[in-house]
Amino acid sequence: DAGVTQSPTHLIKTRGQQVTLRCSPKSGHDTVSWYQQALGQGPQFIFQYYEEEERQRGNFPDRFSGHQFPNYSSELNVNALLLGDSALYLCASSLDRHYYGYTFGSGTRLTVV
Amino acid sequence: KNEVEQSPQNLTAQEGEFITINCSYSVGISALHWLQQHPGGGIVSLFMLSSGKKKHGRLIATINIQEKHSSLHITASHPRDSAVYICAVMNYGGSQGNLIFGKGTKLSVKP
Repeated sequence: DAGVTQSPTHLIKTRGQQVTLRCSPKSGHDTVSWYQQALGQGPQFIFQYYEEEERQRGNFPDRFSGHQFPNYSSELNVNALLLGDSALYLCASSLDRHYYGYTFGSGTRLTVV
Repeated sequence: KNEVEQSPQNLTAQEGEFITINCSYSVGISALHWLQQHPGGGIVSLFMLSSGKKKHGRLIATINIQEKHSSLHITASHPRDSAVYICAVMNYGGSQGNLIFGKGTKLSVKP
C-alpha cells in the first residue's frame, strides 16, 4: 500500500518563475495538506484541500495556490518565485473526520536561484 | 510565544543512553504527534497520542492532557536514532487538521 507520493523530489527554479508540485495521497485518504519547511525550521501550514476545495489556509500570500483532483491528488502552485520560497514542501494526507493516519510524503526540495 | 514549545533544541548523547525530549503546548488539542525527520528527508510519524502512553520498540511517548505536556523517550539510544524529532499538535475544535509544529529537537547519538 503506497504511502504519500510527492513529485518531483528536487527542483531548481529561477526567481520570478512559476512552479507546480504534486502529491498523491495515501490510498483511502481524501484530505491533503501542504506545508513549507524552511531550513532549520518546523513546517508551516500552507493550506488544506478536501472535496476539491481549499478548506483552510495558513498565512501565505496568494502566490501560493492549489488544486485537488477528483482522485484526491493535489497540486501546489507557486507564482513569481522569490529566493525565500526555497524550502522543503511537504504534503500530508488524512481521512476526513479522523485524527488517525496522518501521513507525510518525503517532500519536494525547491531551490530558487 | 510559540503555541508548541520543545526542549531541548539540541541534544547530544552517547550510544546506550536514555533520552527524553519534551513538548509543551498552550492550545486545546485533540491529538499530539511525534514525528521524526532525518537530514534532508521527509517526515515519519512515530506516534499519535490523545491520552496516556504508547510504546513502540525502544520508543515511548507519554502525554498529560491536564498539564499540556508530552514526552518522547528513547531507551538504549543508537546512532541511527540521530534525527530531528518534532512535536506537532492537532488543534481541538478547529477544522480537521492542520497541525501546529514545534521547532524540533536535533538529536545526535555518538557511538
